[in-house]
Amino acid sequence: AQSVSQHNHHVILSEAASLELGCNYSYGGTVNLFWYVQYPGQHLQLLLKYFSGDPLVKGIKGFEAEFIKSKFSFNLRKPSVQWSDTAEYFCAVKSPGGSYIPTFGRGTSLIVHP
Amino acid sequence: SAVISQKPSRDICQRGTSLTIQCQVDSQVTMMFWYRQQPGQSLTLIATANQGSEATYESGFVIDKFPISRPNLTFSTLTVSNMSPEDSSIYLCSVVLAGGENIQYFGAGTRLSVL
Repeated sequence: AQSVSQHNHHVILSEAASLELGCNYSYGGTVNLFWYVQYPGQHLQLLLKYFSGDPLVKGIKGFEAEFIKSKFSFNLRKPSVQWSDTAEYFCAVKSPGGSYIPTFGRGTSLIVHP
Repeated sequence: SAVISQKPSRDICQRGTSLTIQCQVDSQVTMMFWYRQQPGQSLTLIATANQGSEATYESGFVIDKFPISRPNLTFSTLTVSNMSPEDSSIYLCSVVLAGGENIQYFGAGTRLSVL
């Protein structure tokens, strides 16, 4: 079964610092990859996704993620974080085919100090 | 995307009682799911809500504890039965929209506290 690892459970940064959140998965075949964000008190929102094509994916709010197949990774990056990026970030991985159900990582809590 | 409305947004319940959570979507959907989100943990899939038939439950979840209905394509309910403090969690409705990409969208969740 697919498993998803987010190694950074809690990250604390100052504004303008660069961000990289790790995401690794176990299944070696074709995958669909997602990053979701949950701002305090709000619902889970899709930040970005990768289905195929350019492995460098750009999402909303200046976030991007790079799919490295050889490393089974889909790390999330942002060159300069803002206080408003304080949120919980979830990586999710789905194997294409009949199932609509992705496997989620346990999430990374990001706190950005102004 | 779509508007996914969950009710109630939060509740505090007594041990032994039951709570029914509603999920209404304003667009056509192909799939509806119910998740549980506990603090510091990943989202855990409870079940897939099937229209007009019994839900498909994941390992560790049973119909007697979490009965689910989906009478039509855009509405589903999850009941948390005979609650205990261990059921305190956030319960999330999720959908895959018809005619769109294979992406899950989430409701705002129901924060349940059981005393």
